[in-house]
Amino acid sequence: NAGVTQTPKFQVLKTGQSMTLQCAQDMNHEYMSWYRQDPGMGLRLIHYSVGAGITDQGEVPNGYNVSRSTTEDFPLRLLSAAPSQTSVYFCASSYSASAKPAFFGQGTRLTVV
Amino acid sequence: EDQVTQSPEALRLQEGESSSLNCSYTVSGLRGLFWYRQDPGKGPEFLFTLYSAGEEKEKERLKATLTKKESFLHITAPKPEDSATYLCAVALTGGGNKLTFGTGTQLKVEL
Repeated sequence: NAGVTQTPKFQVLKTGQSMTLQCAQDMNHEYMSWYRQDPGMGLRLIHYSVGAGITDQGEVPNGYNVSRSTTEDFPLRLLSAAPSQTSVYFCASSYSASAKPAFFGQGTRLTVV
Repeated sequence: EDQVTQSPEALRLQEGESSSLNCSYTVSGLRGLFWYRQDPGKGPEFLFTLYSAGEEKEKERLKATLTKKESFLHITAPKPEDSATYLCAVALTGGGNKLTFGTGTQLKVEL
């Protein structure tokens, strides 16, 4: 099993550009989520999904869009990139039962100039 | 407001020098507490889940414990390969699988 796979690993965007961060998992997990990690701050939840077709906002959703058309994939879209979105982004997945451990991808380091 | 606080922010140990990392939490209702290890440029790697006060989990040189207010990650006789950032996270009652993270403890083990 590959676990949680994120692409790309690195990306540089210009302000105003849009892009999609890809996330795929092969563990048949129902629950998937996106976090961002910034220096001096804990990982913060952006969006999450409890299953195909169901998504919801986390703590810092503004400027991001998600969809979940399959169990395996959970892409994160930046609609119009801003320098404040410079961060490391992590995708995670887990079984849907409450308080199960999340397994993380290797991250995407995004720089917006 | 739900809060997770980790201390110290950074810790430098000599190889073989045992110590503990702290994760204190102030939350409305705890469903589970998680410890992760994160190496530079990598995603967090799951270590332990603790669900109730008094519970303990062990893995090699690591032992995690939980009380009603805090969790400790004890590192016994650490080796340089234990150097990493250790993250604590909580899942809250009614929060499903959403995790609230602390800011981590950066551990450096030197020869």
